Amino acid sequence: KNEVEQSPQNLTAQEGEFITINCSYSVGISALHWLQQHPGGGIVSLFMLSSGKKKHGRLIATINIQEKHSSLHITASHPRDSAVYICAGSKETSGSRLTFGEGTQLTVNP
Amino acid sequence: NAGVTQTPKFQVLKTGQSMTLQCAQDMNHNSMYWYRQDPGMGLRLIYYSASEGTTDKGEVPNGYNVSRLNKREFSLRLESAAPSQTSVYFCASSPIRTGHNNYGYTFGSGTRLTVV
Repeated sequence: KNEVEQSPQNLTAQEGEFITINCSYSVGISALHWLQQHPGGGIVSLFMLSSGKKKHGRLIATINIQEKHSSLHITASHPRDSAVYICAGSKETSGSRLTFGEGTQLTVNP
Repeated sequence: NAGVTQTPKFQVLKTGQSMTLQCAQDMNHNSMYWYRQDPGMGLRLIYYSASEGTTDKGEVPNGYNVSRLNKREFSLRLESAAPSQTSVYFCASSPIRTGHNNYGYTFGSGTRLTVV
């Protein structure tokens, strides 16, 4: 079993829809990162969280430590949100090295 | 602009050739990393450097060597390229421990390497 697992692998939505991407992680992971990879290939860090909830614009990330689960929500989705979203975990015992999920390919149609 | 600069962006090698991927960051980050990204496998850590003067193997180090030249620069070398090393390579940097109020990681733009 991978230490970080994402679902779904692929997601297609219509512009304006509310989107949720899920991430489950294993024991030992103390912080969860959400990354965005655009079609051009560049990777941008969106959030890092170890508890609670963070919001940036239309993006919201939540984490439930007891359930070892995190979600990334996109409100009022737009075609420019089309990208691969990746969750990754880091452990206290390994500094800031990341273990990555396989990513969710999101396509938002106009 | 502050960030991680990675070169080259594209490279084609013949089997057995060698090359070095260069990476430099100007954010005064302690830690630097080399990852490879392959379809269906996500990003995997090749080597990392927790601080200047130290390097350690990651998940997939075979066939690679690294040099942490100084705090800014971390290079990845393929001594004898193989088709299995065809991949997209990303350099990244972070503070030694990612804090609660920062994003932690900054990635380079990637190097698309093809070994024929």
